[in-house]
Amino acid sequence: KNEVEQSPQNLTAQEGEFITINCSYSVGISALHWLQQHPGGGIVSLFMLSSGKKKHGRLIATINIQEKHSSLHITASHPRDSAVYICAVETSGSRLTFGEGTQLTVNP
Amino acid sequence: DTGVSQNPRHKITKRGQNVTFRCDPISEHNRLYWYRQTLGQGPEFLTYFQNEAQLEKSRLLSDRFSAERPKGSFSTLEIQRTEQGDSAMYLCASSRTVTYGYTFGSGTRLTVV
Repeated sequence: KNEVEQSPQNLTAQEGEFITINCSYSVGISALHWLQQHPGGGIVSLFMLSSGKKKHGRLIATINIQEKHSSLHITASHPRDSAVYICAVETSGSRLTFGEGTQLTVNP
Repeated sequence: DTGVSQNPRHKITKRGQNVTFRCDPISEHNRLYWYRQTLGQGPEFLTYFQNEAQLEKSRLLSDRFSAERPKGSFSTLEIQRTEQGDSAMYLCASSRTVTYGYTFGSGTRLTVV
C-alpha cells in the first residue's frame, strides 16, 4: 500500500462542473501539498496545508489531520484546468512523498 | 528571481554513457531536492541538500548515481553507465529552510536508447 493514495486516477468533467480530488495518507506528516503538473513536466505548487482550509481563486484545499485525508476542489471548472493534480506529503527531512496523481480533463 | 532552472531540458544518450544534469535553485533557497518521475507515476525522492551538505539519499540512488552541490548553490546529478531503466524525468526543487512551499524546475527528460 502506497503511503499516499489519490482518487480518482482519471477524471473527465464538463466545463463548469465542480470537481473534487481526494488524497489519503498513512504516515505522520508536517504538511500536505497539492501540485499541478502540465504536459511537458513542469510542476506548480498550488497549496501547502497543515490544517484547515485554503482558497485561491477557484481552487479550495482542505485537510483533516485526524482522518489523514485531504481534498482539492475546483469550482466552475474550465478546460485550462486540465492537468495532472498531485498530492504530496512532507515527512522527515522535509522531503515530499507523492501520490500517483489524478489526470483531470475538462471538456468544453 | 527566475525560478528553478534545469539543464538540459532533454537528453538522449546511448546505454552505457555517462550523463550529467544541472539544477540552479532560487538563490535564497537553502534546500535543494532531486526527484525522478517515470511515465504515469508520481515523482520519487532521490536526494536532498541543505546548503552544500547532502543530508538524505534514497535507496533508489544506486552507486551509479551521484549528486553534488558545491558551495551550496547549483547542483549536479550524474548518472554513470546509463541503463534503459534510467529513462525518466529528473526534477529539481528548492525551498527555504522554514518551508512554506517548494519551487520546481521544468525537469530534464532523459531517454536512454
